[in-house]
Amino acid sequence: GIQVEQSPPDLILQEGANSTLRCNFSDSVNNLQWFHQNPWGQLINLFYIPSGTKQNGRLSATTVATERYSLLYISSSQTTDSGVYFCAVEAGNAGNMLTFGGGTRLMVKP
Amino acid sequence: NAGVTQTPKFQVLKTGQSMTLQCAQDMNHNSMYWYRQDPGMGLRLIYYSASEGTTDKGEVPNGYNVSRLNKREFSLRLESAAPSQTSVYFCASTPGPYYGYTFGSGTRLTVV
Repeated sequence: GIQVEQSPPDLILQEGANSTLRCNFSDSVNNLQWFHQNPWGQLINLFYIPSGTKQNGRLSATTVATERYSLLYISSSQTTDSGVYFCAVEAGNAGNMLTFGGGTRLMVKP
Repeated sequence: NAGVTQTPKFQVLKTGQSMTLQCAQDMNHNSMYWYRQDPGMGLRLIYYSASEGTTDKGEVPNGYNVSRLNKREFSLRLESAAPSQTSVYFCASTPGPYYGYTFGSGTRLTVV
């Protein structure tokens, strides 16, 4: 099946700093999503972005499908950005099966 | 608008007991999913239902059964719980292909 690798696995930032999270995948995809899991365990959908660039406030994401990677940018980080960020993909021939990466654990310090 | 509702939020079972995890969505979504998340890991797909009346196995279906009761509800049953099924279970839904997923708040299950 498709492989999804996220980097870095852990990241510590000072409040106000910017960061870039990366997601590499091993096959062509027709669905790519970024999620934030907050410290209470709730999963929030940030972006549906199989290709191109999207922005939502301080967050933006870019997927370069031909090179099999996606980037999530967090600008002016806040303590509420802490948690785990997951990239999840659905391969072109995988039907409805969304495969998750291992996540990037982010801690933003005040 | 509640989104995706899961019950119960917490459950402790003894080995061999059975239980059903309930999931309901009020967004008129066609597709629904059950995932499990083990400590420090990403989510793995157990079963999914692409549309009402259909169900299919995911990556880790052994030890589980599902029922798509109607368009709103998708339940997950453990017939004989094992300690290896200790996990956090998430239900999700989506209108269909090419849309983002909405997740419920999860059920934390411990099997002793």
